[in-house]
Amino acid sequence: EAGVTQFPSHSVIEKGQTVTLRCDPISGHDNLYWYRRVMGKEIKFLLHFVKESKQDESGMPNNRFLAERTGGTYSTLKVQPAELEDSGVYFCASSRQDSPKNYGYTFGSGTRLTVV
Amino acid sequence: KQEVTQIPAALSVPEGENLVLNCSFTDSAIYNLQWFRQDPGKGLTSLLLIQSSQREQTSGRLNASLDKSSGRSTLYIAASQPGDSATYLCAPVSGNTGKLIFGQGTTLQVKP
Repeated sequence: EAGVTQFPSHSVIEKGQTVTLRCDPISGHDNLYWYRRVMGKEIKFLLHFVKESKQDESGMPNNRFLAERTGGTYSTLKVQPAELEDSGVYFCASSRQDSPKNYGYTFGSGTRLTVV
Repeated sequence: KQEVTQIPAALSVPEGENLVLNCSFTDSAIYNLQWFRQDPGKGLTSLLLIQSSQREQTSGRLNASLDKSSGRSTLYIAASQPGDSATYLCAPVSGNTGKLIFGQGTTLQVKP
C-alpha cells in the first residue's frame, strides 16, 4: 500500500507569490487532513475533508489559504499571497472512513515552505 | 480546549538506557492517543495507537501506556539505540472533533 504522498518536498518563494501544495492520500481513505508546524510551535490542525467535502476548516489561519479536494482524491492547499509567517512544514494525513477512532492517522513527509 | 504537554522537551542519553517520555493532556474525552516519531526533515511515523479503552500497547522495544482519567500517557523505550534519536510526539484524538492535538514533542538523542 502506497503511503501519503506530498509534493513538493520543499518550496522557497518570495513574499506575495502564490504556492500550491499537493497531497495524495492513501487510496480509499475518505478522510484527508492538513496540519502545519511553524517554527518553534507545535503541529496544528488546519482542515479536514471527508471525500470532497470540507468537514472542518476551523484551523485555517485566514482567507489567503484555500484548500480543495476535487473528486475526493488528491487535495491541494494554495497560499495566495504568501506572507513570511506562512513559513513552516505543511503535513497531510489520511485515514479510513471509520477512523481515526480505530486506525489512527497516516502522515505524509510534509512540504517545507519558506517564504522570503 | 485540549492542551498537550510533553516532558522532557529534550533528552540525551548513552546507548542502552531505558527511557520514559511523558505526555499529559487536559481533556480526557479522547477516542485514542497516537505516538509518532519525526526524524529531522522527515514526516511523522506512527509508532503506537492506544484506544481509549486500553491501558497499554507494545511494539518491539516500545511500550505506551494510557491513563485516560488522569490525562497521562507514557512512552517507554527499552535498551535505547542511536537509531532511536528523533523527536517523539504525543497526540490524543479529541472525542468531540476527531482532531489530533499535538504536544511540542520530546527530542531524544541517544549517544553511541
